[in-house]
Amino acid sequence: EAGVAQSPRYKIIEKRQSVAFWCNPISGHATLYWYQQILGQGPKLLIQFQNNGVVDDSQLPKDRFSAERLKGVDSTLKIQPAKLEDSAVYLCASSGTSLAETQYFGPGTRLLVL
Amino acid sequence: GENVEQHPSTLSVQEGDSAVIKCTYSDSASNYFPWYKQELGKRPQLIIDIRSNVGEKKDQRIAVTLNKTAKHFSLHITETQPEDSAVYFCAAPSSGTYKYIFGTGTRLKVLA
Repeated sequence: EAGVAQSPRYKIIEKRQSVAFWCNPISGHATLYWYQQILGQGPKLLIQFQNNGVVDDSQLPKDRFSAERLKGVDSTLKIQPAKLEDSAVYLCASSGTSLAETQYFGPGTRLLVL
Repeated sequence: GENVEQHPSTLSVQEGDSAVIKCTYSDSASNYFPWYKQELGKRPQLIIDIRSNVGEKKDQRIAVTLNKTAKHFSLHITETQPEDSAVYFCAAPSSGTYKYIFGTGTRLKVLA
């Protein structure tokens, strides 16, 4: 079974630039999560999709971050414009329909904002 | 609001000894509690989980215990090995928000 795919794996940009991340979840998984993990901390949920609908985006900085999951499969997360404090690993995860199901994480995208 | 506290933040043990990490949650409706292991530069990977209808679950050297009354669950690693060295995260779902809350992580170092 293929795992969660993410790209790019690494990205270096300057502040005020834009960046986009892509995620392809495990086939058949209805729920998709985007997390931000700052060095030394646990993953923080940014947004959660159930199929192509947003379930929770309460911690997404909507003035600069946006995400979409068209057709309920792949998802993109965008930052525009980036700030220094956005430097982190962005993890995508997917799971089945129920909340009480295992989340499988992708390899993450390591973002460095200079 | 929902909260998951994890202790200790760092833990050093001698190879062969046991390690215990504890998490406390606040949402009494939580019913699924996973533990993830994250090695340096890698993704979090599920190592064990427990559902609220059982009090303990074991998988070889790893076990998880759940005390619903006290609202805490613990990870137990026996006969630790150097390859157990990693950061361990607990998580609990927050009922009503469909959101997982992760603990702050425990950096485990197994000394050879």
